[in-house]
Amino acid sequence: GENVEQHPSTLSVQEGDSAVIKCTYSDSASNYFPWYKQELGKRPQLIIDIRSNVGEKKDQRIAVTLNKTAKHFSLHITETQPEDSAVYFCAASIGNFNKFYFGSGTKLNVKP
Amino acid sequence: NAGVMQNPRHLVRRRGQEARLRCSPMKGHSHVYWYRQLPEEGLKFMVYLQKENIIDESGMPKERFSAEFPKEGPSILRIQQVVRGDSAAYFCASSPDLTPNTEAFFGQGTRLTVV
Repeated sequence: GENVEQHPSTLSVQEGDSAVIKCTYSDSASNYFPWYKQELGKRPQLIIDIRSNVGEKKDQRIAVTLNKTAKHFSLHITETQPEDSAVYFCAASIGNFNKFYFGSGTKLNVKP
Repeated sequence: NAGVMQNPRHLVRRRGQEARLRCSPMKGHSHVYWYRQLPEEGLKFMVYLQKENIIDESGMPKERFSAEFPKEGPSILRIQQVVRGDSAAYFCASSPDLTPNTEAFFGQGTRLTVV
């Protein structure tokens, strides 16, 4: 089955700096890649997603890039703010349904 | 349109008891997914259901765990004879009928503690 690996496990940045989280996947049939943000004790919330027919997608301070050949995708957060502090999960799914394979998570700490 | 509703939010069970977790998907969603999250870990897929059908249960333990999504009412994840290792957060997610491979909306989760 699909295997998604995520790095780093923790990331500490200064407010205003950029943060980059990277994920790799194993199954070339994966075609949908969402990123979720989870605050302590809360539900995961989608922040951005990308499909396999697109190489890059941006939404304000958040962007995601996908390299299908290398089977990796990355989350980029610019101008980080303290409220960006949370755990971020990447995921991949195959086919038409939302059976997600999640990465192990990155705990992002944005220092004021 | 209410979001995905899960109850209870917190559930404490003694070893050997049964746990029943409920999930009501968003209106217009007939695809339901259950995930388990152990402390400090990512979410692991358990089961995918549509109304009255189990589509994929490849992530469900073979024993003690079962899931259903009846024609009327919420989806139920049932854990029989709970053990300490079942302590985790259980999240359900739902997605729309016509575009199931799209944003999945997660519920607030049920945090199960087995004592």
